[in-house]
Amino acid sequence: AQSVTQPDARVTVSEGASLQLRCKYSYFGTPYLFWYVQYPRQGLQLLLKYYPGDPVVQGVNGFEAEFSKSNSSFHLRKASVHWSDWAVYFCAVNYNQGKLIFGQGTKLSIKP
Amino acid sequence: GPKVLQIPSHQIIDMGQMVTLNCDPVSNHLYFYWYKQILGQQMEFLVNFYNGKVMEKSKLFKDQFSVERPDGSYFTLKIQPTALEDSAVYFCASSFRSQNTLYFGAGTRLSVL
Repeated sequence: AQSVTQPDARVTVSEGASLQLRCKYSYFGTPYLFWYVQYPRQGLQLLLKYYPGDPVVQGVNGFEAEFSKSNSSFHLRKASVHWSDWAVYFCAVNYNQGKLIFGQGTKLSIKP
Repeated sequence: GPKVLQIPSHQIIDMGQMVTLNCDPVSNHLYFYWYKQILGQQMEFLVNFYNGKVMEKSKLFKDQFSVERPDGSYFTLKIQPTALEDSAVYFCASSFRSQNTLYFGAGTRLSVL
């Protein structure tokens, strides 16, 4: 069955440190993958998206993600986090007709 | 970027009442969606809508739920009657094509008392 798993419910990193948020997917066929961010009391905002092509995709605010078919992964990375990155991050796969299957989300906290 | 507007941001109603959640999608988008997020949990698909018709609905889309977009205006989610378990944040989204990026509104927090 199609699914998305974000194994880390919470991640804490120091400001200026690098970041990786993990996402594993289960999908038959070629997936369309997304990372969304949810800031406190706001809706989801698109960070980046993967359509079949270059496995490394660049997003907003210095985020990037790498698609790996062999590992069924779509991990999100950032070289240097800022306090404003404090939010919940959701990985999602476009299953069918715009039906997104979301992961459980990873809550990112930033240490000063 | 494109904006999806949801009105109101918070709605409090008594169990058994009817509620209508309104969504103003991106103007040239053709596909519309509702998602439900219970506090602390992941977002879950409720329904998608295209060309005046529901294309697919999940098991969360109970018989008490209905959607419509009369005359290309607001895309609405109506719940009649409401139940306690309907308390959640409801997110509207739209896209130009079904495989394109979905743009989400800020959500309507529904509290059923």
